[in-house]
Amino acid sequence: KAGVTQTPRYLIKTRGQQVTLSCSPISGHRSVSWYQQTPGQGLQFLFEYFSETQRNKGNFPGRFSGRQFSNSRSEMNVSTLELGDSALYLCASSFASGKGDTQYFGPGTRLTVL
Amino acid sequence: GENVEQHPSTLSVQEGDSAVIKCTYSDSASNYFPWYKQELGKGPQLIIDIRSNVGEKKDQRIAVTLNKTAKHFSLHITETQPEDSAVYFCAASTRGSQGNLIFGKGTKLSVKP
Repeated sequence: KAGVTQTPRYLIKTRGQQVTLSCSPISGHRSVSWYQQTPGQGLQFLFEYFSETQRNKGNFPGRFSGRQFSNSRSEMNVSTLELGDSALYLCASSFASGKGDTQYFGPGTRLTVL
Repeated sequence: GENVEQHPSTLSVQEGDSAVIKCTYSDSASNYFPWYKQELGKGPQLIIDIRSNVGEKKDQRIAVTLNKTAKHFSLHITETQPEDSAVYFCAASTRGSQGNLIFGKGTKLSVKP
C-alpha cells in the first residue's frame, strides 16, 4: 500500500500571502489529521477531519483552516501568512474504526515564510 | 488539557548499549501511547504503541512500559545500532488515535559506532 503523500514538499511564500497544502491518506483510511512542527513548539495538533467533517481542532487561529473531500483527501489553508507560520506541516491518516487506530504520517510540507 | 513531558532531550550511547527515554503525562483519561521515530527530512514513523490496558509491549529490540498509577511510560531500545540514531517522540491520546495526539518535545538519540 502506498503511504501518506503530501504535496508540495517545499514552499516559499511571503508575508500576507495564503497557501494551500494537500494530503492524500493511505487507501481506505477515513481520518486525516494535521500537525505543525517547529523547533520551538514541537509537534502541535491543528485539526482532524473524518467523513468531510472537522471532528477536532487544536489551539490555532482562524487563519488556519482545512477541508476533506469525499475521497478522504484533505487540504489545509493558511491565510495572511506570518513569519511564525514557517514550519513543517505534517498530515497523518488513520482508518478510524472507532477502536483506536494508529496514525501514519506523511513526509510533510516544509513552508518557509519570508 | 493533556501535557506530555519527555526526558532526556538528548541521549548519546555506544553501539550495543541500551537506551531509555521516559515520558510523563498529566491527563489520567489518556489511554493510547505511541512512540515515533523521525529521521532527518522525513515524517514521524510509528515504532511501537501501547494502550492503557497493557503494562508492557515488546517488538524485537524495542519495548515500551506503562505505569498508569504514576502516569509515565518509557521506551527501551536494546543493542542499539547506528541506524537507531534519530529523534524519538512520545505521544498520548485520550481517544485512541482519533485525531488529537499530544506529543513530547522529542529526544535526539545518537548511537556512536
